[in-house]
Amino acid sequence: QQPVQSPQAVILREGEDAVINCSSSKALYSVHWYRQKHGEAPVFLMILLKGGEQKGHEKISASFNEKKQQSSLYLTASQLSYSGTYFCGAQDLTTDSWGKLQFGAGTQVVVTP
Amino acid sequence: EAGVAQSPRYKIIEKRQSVAFWCNPISGHATLYWYQQILGQGPKLLIQFQNNGVVDDSQLPKDRFSAERLKGVDSTLKIQPAKLEDSAVYLCASGAILEKLFFGSGTQLSVL
Repeated sequence: QQPVQSPQAVILREGEDAVINCSSSKALYSVHWYRQKHGEAPVFLMILLKGGEQKGHEKISASFNEKKQQSSLYLTASQLSYSGTYFCGAQDLTTDSWGKLQFGAGTQVVVTP
Repeated sequence: EAGVAQSPRYKIIEKRQSVAFWCNPISGHATLYWYQQILGQGPKLLIQFQNNGVVDDSQLPKDRFSAERLKGVDSTLKIQPAKLEDSAVYLCASGAILEKLFFGSGTQLSVL
């Protein structure tokens, strides 16, 4: 089952902040975040493992709430280069889906000057 | 470091024709995934290989799609016969189990 992302789209001015949420109905082992620019392949941002850790990539950070099976991606002081579609990917550890990575529908981020 | 190679980059076929996509993963990566990405949607997992064995193919339309991974390295994905709704970008990705994925540039398929 695919994770659910929200919002579907967000428009920001340079320097503004945004939060993208990702939730799953299954107990998760890890959450991945990728960014895809138009016409290109998704590019890895970060992985969060169960344990509630927080990670960062430039001024992009993320958290993972294991109890709620939710992850949030934080875009801080956004830059024009942050524009793209952000996907979360969820991996659970049920015996029939070891390592299976399912992606959400994506959140389109547009950063304007 | 060489990335994930995919070919062809673009393919246009008519419905009911067959088509094949090729993927060469990063050397040493045991896990290989094929995803279908329809315009405006997230990547949908079609099949996952661990070395040359299938781990998951629950979302692969097996009446028309097939995939194999020869000797645990290269992989091919085939569609026969193609339908209009198969128009999408087909992404191949590789990685170590439970680690980050590296994606290829994809094959954009148009079925007319």
